[in-house]
Amino acid sequence: DQQVKQNSPSLSVQEGRISILNCDYTNSMFDYFLWYKKYPAEGPTFLISISSIKDKNEDGRFTVFLNKSAKHLSLHIVPSQPGDSAVYFCAASGSTGNTDKLIFGTGTRLQVFP
Amino acid sequence: ETGVTQSPTHLIKTRGQQVTLRCSSQSGHNTVSWYQQALGQGPQFIFQYYREEENGRGNFPPRFSGLQFPNYSSELNVNALELDDSALYLCASSLNRAGSPLHFGNGTRLTVT
Repeated sequence: DQQVKQNSPSLSVQEGRISILNCDYTNSMFDYFLWYKKYPAEGPTFLISISSIKDKNEDGRFTVFLNKSAKHLSLHIVPSQPGDSAVYFCAASGSTGNTDKLIFGTGTRLQVFP
Repeated sequence: ETGVTQSPTHLIKTRGQQVTLRCSSQSGHNTVSWYQQALGQGPQFIFQYYREEENGRGNFPPRFSGLQFPNYSSELNVNALELDDSALYLCASSLNRAGSPLHFGNGTRLTVT
């Protein structure tokens, strides 16, 4: 049973436009959410996180939105750059802020073309 | 600041054999977690170590075991390897406090034939 779902395996966006990556979860006990980016032959790199007490967190070009009632979060990248091309993983945790086990989605491959 | 390092980078083993994977934590981090990433999937939590004790375990059989050493480095041991154990094994370190995200190494690619 997949508790964290990324239903779009891939996304292609033109450079300079907005990239929107989506993530849905089923477990209402999750209260901390993270996005990781992964390049080939490298480990996942932390991008941005959000606690369930917030509905938005912004860091430069990256913004994460959380809709608790819909159990949905999204990552917005504006403007998208070719270097953003990577696989993006959504992850959730059941314990606020702690490094408890993270439940990852299956990832979305983002390609940003010129 | 030294990041998380894992060794070896690639490994080929035969079914039934045993394997040990190693991980050095990022400087200052006291918690180590191990994840298995199968092809086309997201990382799956195996277990976490804090102060040399197992501090949480995912849905993996006992033939997956680990150690954390006083310098916070860690080992993942897998006994009686099966073909389905072929995956990328990721080690991540953290500070085990609120708001501290996991920092991953580049992983060890294990192939079981």
